Amino acid sequence: DAGVIQSPRHEVTEMGQEVTLRCKPISGHDYLFWYRQTMMRGLELLIYFNNNVPIDDSGMPEDRFSAKMPNASFSTLKIQPSEPRDSAVYFCASSSTSESGELFFGEGSRLTVL
Amino acid sequence: AQSVSQHNHHVILSEAASLELGCNYSYGGTVNLFWYVQYPGQHLQLLLKYFSGDPLVKGIKGFEAEFIKSKFSFNLRKPSVQWSDTAEYFCAVNARSNDYKLSFGAGTTVTVRA
Repeated sequence: DAGVIQSPRHEVTEMGQEVTLRCKPISGHDYLFWYRQTMMRGLELLIYFNNNVPIDDSGMPEDRFSAKMPNASFSTLKIQPSEPRDSAVYFCASSSTSESGELFFGEGSRLTVL
Repeated sequence: AQSVSQHNHHVILSEAASLELGCNYSYGGTVNLFWYVQYPGQHLQLLLKYFSGDPLVKGIKGFEAEFIKSKFSFNLRKPSVQWSDTAEYFCAVNARSNDYKLSFGAGTTVTVRA
């Protein structure tokens, strides 16, 4: 099993640019979560999907953030336009109800907005 | 809503010392409990989990945790730490009734001095 795969691992961009983070969950998992981790706020849940449908996006900071899951094997988190305060590590995680919700995390995408 | 409280923000100890990290949760229903570890620069990995059965759970790398239902606690322990245990430790809780959405504590940074 390849685990949760995220790309890119690192991204450095300038303020105002569009950023797209990608995630491939573990095959067969029916939940996908996007988290953001910063020193100030720790781990924050941004949004999660069940069977490709967004269930709770209350953690999405503002309209500049959007997430999609067009199929069971792919999700994107987009920031447009990006701002320096968006600099963080963004983690994708997947889980399955058959495993009682144990989360499997990707390696994360470290975003730096200059 | 469920919440998770970790007692210590930062713990510093010497090799071979014993470690205990406190975790309390607030949720009235049946829960699943987890401890995750994040080594410097890496993603979160599962240390151990409790779903049901024996409240004393053994995980990887010599860690164990005890679920005390009456105290809503799930404290993590290791009898003798090593320098390689330096990491951030997260307690987490989910419940079937809450769509298995995982709630994380703020994390405890553990620094082990050689």
